[in-house]
Amino acid sequence: AQTVTQSQPEMSVQEAETVTLSCTYDTSESDYYLFWYKQPPSRQMILVIRQEAYKQQNATENRFSVNFQKAAKSFSLKISDSQLGDAAMYFCAYRSLGSYNTDKLIFGTGTRLQVFP
Amino acid sequence: SQTIHQWPATLVQPVGSPLSLECTVEGTSNPNLYWYRQAAGRGLQLLFYSVGIGQISSEVPQNLSASRPQDRQFILSSKKLLLSDSGFYLCAWSFDADTQYFGPGTRLTVL
Repeated sequence: AQTVTQSQPEMSVQEAETVTLSCTYDTSESDYYLFWYKQPPSRQMILVIRQEAYKQQNATENRFSVNFQKAAKSFSLKISDSQLGDAAMYFCAYRSLGSYNTDKLIFGTGTRLQVFP
Repeated sequence: SQTIHQWPATLVQPVGSPLSLECTVEGTSNPNLYWYRQAAGRGLQLLFYSVGIGQISSEVPQNLSASRPQDRQFILSSKKLLLSDSGFYLCAWSFDADTQYFGPGTRLTVL
């Protein structure tokens, strides 16, 4: 079974600085999706970025980018020019593409990011 | 554009009472629909998913059930709530098993 591990329960960053959140996963599959979701105090889960495993190029969305290392099964999120509104819980998630019946997201336990002015 | 609604936003219920949480999606047809639960300080756990009207798959055995009476409506129910059912319930949708988008959630407290 697939697992997702986020080893950093909490992280902090100064406003305008850069921070990297770590995520590792375990799978025997070769094709899958990886996601980062943000959960602000409102608790709604918001998609930050998505990576298809077959793509070698790292995904980027404005100030958010990932470092996808398939062989190492690592999927870190880099937030550049951090803003106060980035403060939230960040969840890494895995989705299998191996079978239609495995259409579910497997989440890590999350990293709480604090942003200081 | 697509939007997803959940009702109610918060709910406080006594142990043993029934439960009905509703999720509706606008702006798309035949979405895949999901119910997740998030315990305090934890990640999300998939409870149910549906690929069409009347088609429900359960991931975790429990005293909860789900139904999909209409294409864009997904309901989470219980006949008798337990204390352990407290948590934050999130509904999500996806198109063709692609990226999942989440609703605003329902905070359930069972006393």
